[in-house]
Amino acid sequence: QVQLQESGPGLVRPSGTLSLTCGVSGDSVSSSNWWNWVRQPPGKGLEWIGEIHHTGDTYYNPSLASRVTISVDKSKNQFSLKLTSVTAADTAVYYCTNRRIGLDFWGQGTLVTVSS
Amino acid sequence: DIQMTQSPSSLSASVGDRVTITCRASQSIRSYLNWYQQKPGKAPELLIYAASSLQSGVPSRFSGSGSGTDYTFTISSLQPEDFATYYCQQSYSPPRTFGQGTKVEI
Repeated sequence: QVQLQESGPGLVRPSGTLSLTCGVSGDSVSSSNWWNWVRQPPGKGLEWIGEIHHTGDTYYNPSLASRVTISVDKSKNQFSLKLTSVTAADTAVYYCTNRRIGLDFWGQGTLVTVSS
Repeated sequence: DIQMTQSPSSLSASVGDRVTITCRASQSIRSYLNWYQQKPGKAPELLIYAASSLQSGVPSRFSGSGSGTDYTFTISSLQPEDFATYYCQQSYSPPRTFGQGTKVEI
């Protein structure tokens, strides 16, 4: 059973950088899976942010691509999300998840609030 | 980008009802269509992948069908624990877009 756990600050200042890490257990980030980030603003639907493969291949949502970086750390079996120049519109629950075909396993999610 | 149009946005149903949700893609997604259930305060859970394959451990009252651009998700007999929000998602090409969600209420 794959388990994922998000970690990072719950409060980020406007114009700052949101940084989250997803620890993976029960699988290796070097497997054939793709490692994804999804977010959900309060009371709204799901938004796909992007994904990474251990080879370094990445895909990002074009709406966020200029501000997003997803990276993988094989030595720590984790992957990370950085989102720069954040505004209140980036306030959301952020989920990390893996993809084989569908998004099979999800972290519990972490609420990140952008506020001064 | 592939747009996913899900309908209805909400529905009212009773225990035992048959419930159907539809999802239409703006172009063919060749059955790369997944369905998720989300309960309040919880992460989404994958129910159906590749349009019609039941994820391990998911009850058989959930099913999916469709091809090309049009897909359907069905709960054959609604149970109390099925009241939740359901999302479709295409995994054919990035960005791997979600539908707007369908809230199933009593």
